[in-house]
Amino acid sequence: DAKTTQPNSMESNEEEPVHLPCNHSTISGTDYIHWYRQLPSQGPEYVIHGLTSNVNNRMASLAIAEDRKSSTLILHRATLRDAAVYYCTDTGNQFYFGTGTSLTVIP
Amino acid sequence: DAGVIQSPRHEVTEMGQEVTLRCKPISGHNSLFWYRQTMMRGLELLIYFNNNVPIDDSGMPEDRFSAKMPNASFSTLKIQPSEPRDSAVYFCASSLATRTGELFFGEGSRLTVL
Repeated sequence: DAKTTQPNSMESNEEEPVHLPCNHSTISGTDYIHWYRQLPSQGPEYVIHGLTSNVNNRMASLAIAEDRKSSTLILHRATLRDAAVYYCTDTGNQFYFGTGTSLTVIP
Repeated sequence: DAGVIQSPRHEVTEMGQEVTLRCKPISGHNSLFWYRQTMMRGLELLIYFNNNVPIDDSGMPEDRFSAKMPNASFSTLKIQPSEPRDSAVYFCASSLATRTGELFFGEGSRLTVL
């Protein structure tokens, strides 16, 4: 049984907002939600994390559902450099990453 | 600051040979993770250490795989004997063992077993 589930792929037009969803079916109350992204031929890199409240940083925003069973990574204006595989995970699932969502940005 | 350092970056070997991958975590981090990435299975956690002690090795595929962390600044992942299905990119990551626990990944070791 998958610990987090994400769509395999998504597309976005350049300079449009992108909402990447994730379901955290087995998350518990003290587990942090993390998002990472992996650019081609590189290791994954940290994007953002949160516990209960919505979070913003220079890279993205993280919206967390009230029941914490889902989260959404928001890229406010997609650029070609945002084309990557995006992974959601949580600290309770020992950093299970799975296959992530492959984001294509269309010029 | 130096990030997580992995070596070798690329390894090509023949089936049956021993392979040793190395990792130097970020100084001060006390958790270390080994992942394997393939197209079919994505990024899989193999094993992780906390304060040099293996905590969960349930992801290690079989007895041919072993990992050690003799001290806080060095870890190895060994495959013996190697098989073609072990071909993958192996990533090492480290973190502070805090509740937030962001992972910092190395650039990976690409292994090809012929």
